[in-house]
Amino acid sequence: LAKTTQPISMDSYEGQEVNITCSHNNIATNDYITWYQQFPSQGPRFIIQGYKTKVTNEVASLFIPADRKSSTLSLPRVSLSDTAVYYCLVEAGYGGATNKLIFGTGTLLAVQP
Amino acid sequence: ETGVTQTPRHLVMGMTNKKSLKCEQHLGHNAMYWYKQSAKKPLELMFVYSLEERVENNSVPSRFSPECPNSSHLFLHLHTLQPEDSALYLCASSQEGTANYGYTFGSGTRLTVV
Repeated sequence: LAKTTQPISMDSYEGQEVNITCSHNNIATNDYITWYQQFPSQGPRFIIQGYKTKVTNEVASLFIPADRKSSTLSLPRVSLSDTAVYYCLVEAGYGGATNKLIFGTGTLLAVQP
Repeated sequence: ETGVTQTPRHLVMGMTNKKSLKCEQHLGHNAMYWYKQSAKKPLELMFVYSLEERVENNSVPSRFSPECPNSSHLFLHLHTLQPEDSALYLCASSQEGTANYGYTFGSGTRLTVV
């Protein structure tokens, strides 16, 4: 499993755009990059997934450079409710039990008013 | 609701008690997982079930006993736990062998061992 590295914490203010970068130097050819969000005392929630270039959904954008050794989660105009831990993971593209998601410490995003 | 339901949400048990955590998924997935999350620690993978068969046990103490009677249900049976077992226990499911859209987690059971 590719190891990921991301900042332990980040601070932001309401209305700002937040970019969280994750390094995954040993990513394999069939690996996807997935980001999860976790609020206190809740399970992680899938945010976005991508393989290369850019992916956008109603919540966030994911930027992946050509070498795929890093990725950046972009949250537009954050609000207080976006305060959470954000995890970057690398998952094999075929999914399922063989993936065995291994979580790191994630990035604690604190949004201030 | 995420499609993965865990009960109970909160549980307080003594060290000599026997209790069970229940997880049910309504997503048609064929793989299910138990994770443990202690305070200020990363999620730890405990058990993996694929097609109702246990495929991994991450060196979990025998006082935790999983059961997967069918692809929709997963249990974690608890007995003679220790205070350090107090944590948030999370269940997740996924679909093996298809385009990957990640795991779906339940809301967890907050366990306190006294």
